[in-house]
Amino acid sequence: ETGVTQSPTHLIKTRGQQVTLRCSSQSGHNTVSWYQQALGQGPQFIFQYYREEENGRGNFPPRFSGLQFPNYSSELNVNALELDDSALYLCASSLEPSMNTEAFFGQGTRLTVV
Amino acid sequence: AQTVTQSQPEMSVQEAETVTLSCTYDTSENNYYLFWYKQPPSRQMILVIRQEAYKQQNATENRFSVNFQKAAKSFSLKISDSQLGDTAMYFCAFTPGNTPLVFGKGTRLSVIA
Repeated sequence: ETGVTQSPTHLIKTRGQQVTLRCSSQSGHNTVSWYQQALGQGPQFIFQYYREEENGRGNFPPRFSGLQFPNYSSELNVNALELDDSALYLCASSLEPSMNTEAFFGQGTRLTVV
Repeated sequence: AQTVTQSQPEMSVQEAETVTLSCTYDTSENNYYLFWYKQPPSRQMILVIRQEAYKQQNATENRFSVNFQKAAKSFSLKISDSQLGDTAMYFCAFTPGNTPLVFGKGTRLSVIA
């Protein structure tokens, strides 16, 4: 167990709807990164939050947005869901954004868009 | 572009045998970290081993070791004395510059009794 928890574990949504995924980071970690893992693929970086500010973003459209709260937990919001958004969404927390800092992953949220 | 290539989509190994998973990457950065992650059916990514690019000595963690060839941009993972619990997806990843993790597509490893 890494101490990173994600909710819900599974979710089914209809195309066009909006969804919010949640991540509780490991105690003491101020950095959260979100990744999208499509079936049969490796995770792709969506964005990172450091001390409640966005600290980098991957190649995802603006309908993917996020928040980080004062307790360093985080949300990923996706608007206007598309079928291709079906994937496993992983969050990872770390002590700081530095590249040599170990990232601890949650078990992911499996999102299915129908 | 920063990319990671894992050329073996699937591999299998007999219990107690040794297996090597290959990984190559591409970057113009000189300073980076390399990682191997394991993703069992539980879906949680678990760090197996990591290597600092400026260190020539290959990293080792118990039964897991790497062969890091910086000039060739190669970073293979060797698992010795394979166990049934090693069955999982294995992802090679790195952090080029000060960026988040860049992952390969993974290798599915099956350990056969």
